[in-house]
Amino acid sequence: NAGVMQNPRHLVRRRGQEARLRCSPMKGHSHVYWYRQLPEEGLKFMVYLQKENIIDESGMPKERFSAEFPKEGPSILRIQQVVRGDSAAYFCASSLGQGATNEQFFGPGTRLTVL
Amino acid sequence: GQQLNQSPQSMFIQEGEDVSMNCTSSSIFNTWLWYKQEPGEGPVLLIALYKAGELTSNGRLTAQFGITRKDSFLNISASIPSDVGIYFCAGQWEPIGNQGGKLIFGQGTELSVKP
Repeated sequence: NAGVMQNPRHLVRRRGQEARLRCSPMKGHSHVYWYRQLPEEGLKFMVYLQKENIIDESGMPKERFSAEFPKEGPSILRIQQVVRGDSAAYFCASSLGQGATNEQFFGPGTRLTVL
Repeated sequence: GQQLNQSPQSMFIQEGEDVSMNCTSSSIFNTWLWYKQEPGEGPVLLIALYKAGELTSNGRLTAQFGITRKDSFLNISASIPSDVGIYFCAGQWEPIGNQGGKLIFGQGTELSVKP
């Protein structure tokens, strides 16, 4: 009974490269949330997706960041032309449904380091 | 953006002592949640609170949803070394339209327990 899986766990990129972070939700979950955690801070919401739809992207930076959750396969958070300030831990969470009483289960995170 | 103020930022206590931490918000939430995060891992849900005034326990942990719906506290009784970690509060609104249940996190309370 696998939980939320994220890969890679650690990712090192040079400035200007692209970073692709993958998230496989728990079995049966069709709601995915992405959060970013800067060192010694709490998690900050980025985007909420359901299968093939972006529902709420109010926390996504306007440029270079995009997310998708295709009909088949994992959810992808893509960061183009990475900068040092993108270094952070990126967590995804999945849930059965939307809102209260639908617990969001978190993955172990991807730690992105931009050199 | 919306912020939760969580305090204290860190605590150093002796094994066996009780611990208390709290969160306040400038706006009302429908749900308050408390998570624990250990190094290199994602947050794990400890307690969820759904009604103003609700008091809920989970073993040695007790949490309350404030009457004003703008605050919550978490108590840990008789702390043990494995309680070490970072504790986060999180607030959630009931989904309306595209506001699909994202979590707003506090800054975290880092707990250290001396055996």
